[in-house]
Amino acid sequence: AQTVTQSQPEMSVQEAETVTLSCTYDTSESNYYLFWYKQPPSRQMILVIRQEAYKQQNATENRFSVNFQKAAKSFSLKISDSQLGDTAMYFCAFILTGANSKLTFGKGITLSVRP
Amino acid sequence: DAGITQSPRHKVTETGTPVTLRCHQTENHRYMYWYRQDPGHGLRLIHYSYGVKDTDKGEVSDGYSVSRSKTEDFLLTLESATSSQTSVYFCAIGAVLGGYEQYFGPGTRLTVT
Repeated sequence: AQTVTQSQPEMSVQEAETVTLSCTYDTSESNYYLFWYKQPPSRQMILVIRQEAYKQQNATENRFSVNFQKAAKSFSLKISDSQLGDTAMYFCAFILTGANSKLTFGKGITLSVRP
Repeated sequence: DAGITQSPRHKVTETGTPVTLRCHQTENHRYMYWYRQDPGHGLRLIHYSYGVKDTDKGEVSDGYSVSRSKTEDFLLTLESATSSQTSVYFCAIGAVLGGYEQYFGPGTRLTVT
């Protein structure tokens, strides 16, 4: 079974600074996708970024980028130029490729951006 | 935003009563999912559907049943609600060919008293 671990329950960052959220996962498979989801106080789950395991290049979406280390099974999210609207809970998630695959989530990390 | 709605958005019910939550999508995605979110647990899969009338159990399926008679609708039923089923319930949709990401509805907060 696949597992996703987010070991930091909470983090805080000053507005405009950079913060990195950690995630590790465990699988014996080689074909999979990784995601970061954001859940602001509104409770809506929002997809932030996606990484395909077969791609060596790290995914980037505007101020959000990942550091994907396949051998180490590590998938961290870097948020640059943090904004107050980045305050949210962030979930790391993993899914194997193939029909009827299921998404496995970490327990999440609460990020607070200080003004 | 993906076209996913959930109803009701909030519900308070008593122990032992049946409850049905509805998820409706306008994206024509094949896969639909029900999750529950509890503090300290992240999101956990209850049931999912990979087509009309095709469903399967997830990680925490005990006490829940689902049905999907149309592509756009996925129902979650608590046959006899218990206090341990107090939670926030999310519906999600996905399309494998699109890259495996799932898109979530706004959630339903259910309180069982």
